[in-house]
Amino acid sequence: AQKITQTQPGMFVQEKEAVTLDCTYDTSDPSYGLFWYKQPSSGEMIFLIYQGSYDQQNATEGRYSLNFQKARKSANLVISASQLGDSAMYFCAMREVNAGNNRKLIWGLGTSLAVNP
Amino acid sequence: GAGVSQSPRYKVAKRGQDVALRCDPISGHVSLFWYQQALGQGPEFLTYFQNEAQLDKSGLPSDRFFAERPEGSVSTLKIQRTQQEDSAVYLCASSSEGGSSSYNEQFFGPGTRLTVL
Repeated sequence: AQKITQTQPGMFVQEKEAVTLDCTYDTSDPSYGLFWYKQPSSGEMIFLIYQGSYDQQNATEGRYSLNFQKARKSANLVISASQLGDSAMYFCAMREVNAGNNRKLIWGLGTSLAVNP
Repeated sequence: GAGVSQSPRYKVAKRGQDVALRCDPISGHVSLFWYQQALGQGPEFLTYFQNEAQLDKSGLPSDRFFAERPEGSVSTLKIQRTQQEDSAVYLCASSSEGGSSSYNEQFFGPGTRLTVL
């Protein structure tokens, strides 16, 4: 079963507006971490924001915030005041802590975001 | 400081050739990961090292894939007898954390784009 689901293959947003990118996850591990990465057309994977399963508050990093709804198993990324440079692929990923020696990130299929001027 | 570097950035191989992809992690990083990213997909885990020990190789798709990190720093991913389905971007990531934690920011290299003709 897919553990990370990103249901929006592509999204458009007007410059300076906010946009929400959806991510739902599935795990039976009570301890896990959720990550969002940005991948521009150049290919490098850029870390944006992290949310731990026991964190009480939603994570924020500058213009990025994570809307963490644990009961619904969702971890949506909110980008405020979109900029042209935000146009990229965005990936949601998860790490399960109690998976033995397995420290891998499990990834969604990504959402392509286009910011219109 | 220097980030994760990978070489070559691009590799074209004829079907049946052997290839070797190199990853230089961030100095002092304990953990090293290899991921395979097919076109239009999210990354898929291949293998994980903690120092020189390969703790998880469950994602290697076949016995044609082999990875090593003999001195706990530089890692090489080798693919023998390449096939067209091996065409992908191979991403290397490193992290400083080697213990059990949900937080494990992985820093990614630019990737090696492998094309098998």
